[in-house]
Amino acid sequence: AQKITQTQPGMFVQEKEAVTLDCTYDTSDPSYGLFWYKQPSSGEMIFLIYQGSYDQQNATEGRYSLNFQKARKSANLVISASQLGDSAMYFCAMRHPSQAGTALIFGKGTTLSVSS
Amino acid sequence: NAGVTQTPKFQVLKTGQSMTLQCAQDMNHEYMSWYRQDPGMGLRLIHYSVGAGITDQGEVPNGYNVSRSTTEDFPLRLLSAAPSQTSVYFCASSYGSGFNQPQHFGDGTRLSIL
Repeated sequence: AQKITQTQPGMFVQEKEAVTLDCTYDTSDPSYGLFWYKQPSSGEMIFLIYQGSYDQQNATEGRYSLNFQKARKSANLVISASQLGDSAMYFCAMRHPSQAGTALIFGKGTTLSVSS
Repeated sequence: NAGVTQTPKFQVLKTGQSMTLQCAQDMNHEYMSWYRQDPGMGLRLIHYSVGAGITDQGEVPNGYNVSRSTTEDFPLRLLSAAPSQTSVYFCASSYGSGFNQPQHFGDGTRLSIL
């Protein structure tokens, strides 16, 4: 069965440091997309970055980059130069054609706390 | 840019009451979906739609109905509210149902059933 695993319930980082949030996935489908979402304490879900299973290069969006290791089935989010506003819950998610409704499958999330 | 708009933001119901959670998007997205978010369980799909007039069930559809009469709107109806339906509900949309399409979420509706 398709599954997303986030093993870090909480992470702590100081401002201006880089942090890596781990995500591993399990699927037998060759076509899939991997997504990261940010959920601040206000509750909304904000799309951050996308990586496709056929993409040769790691995705980047500003301070966010995705360390995609297909053979290891991992898709870690790297946040460079952390800011106080990065404190939030982060979810890794996968979408693939054989999932009913091509729904997003979410991990349980990692809470990131950034301190000054 | 409005994106995905959900109303209401908060709601308290009594057991047995019915209500409709509204969702509208202005991005001309064909795919729309409803998720519920519960502590420790992540987000789970309730219902989805791949276009006007087409809906289908997700992982946890019991107790909920949907319809899609227009591209823009995708309301979620609770038929007879139960305490187990206390949750945060998110509506999401994407241009299509492809695996490379990010879903964009509304701000959520926090629903409590007493």
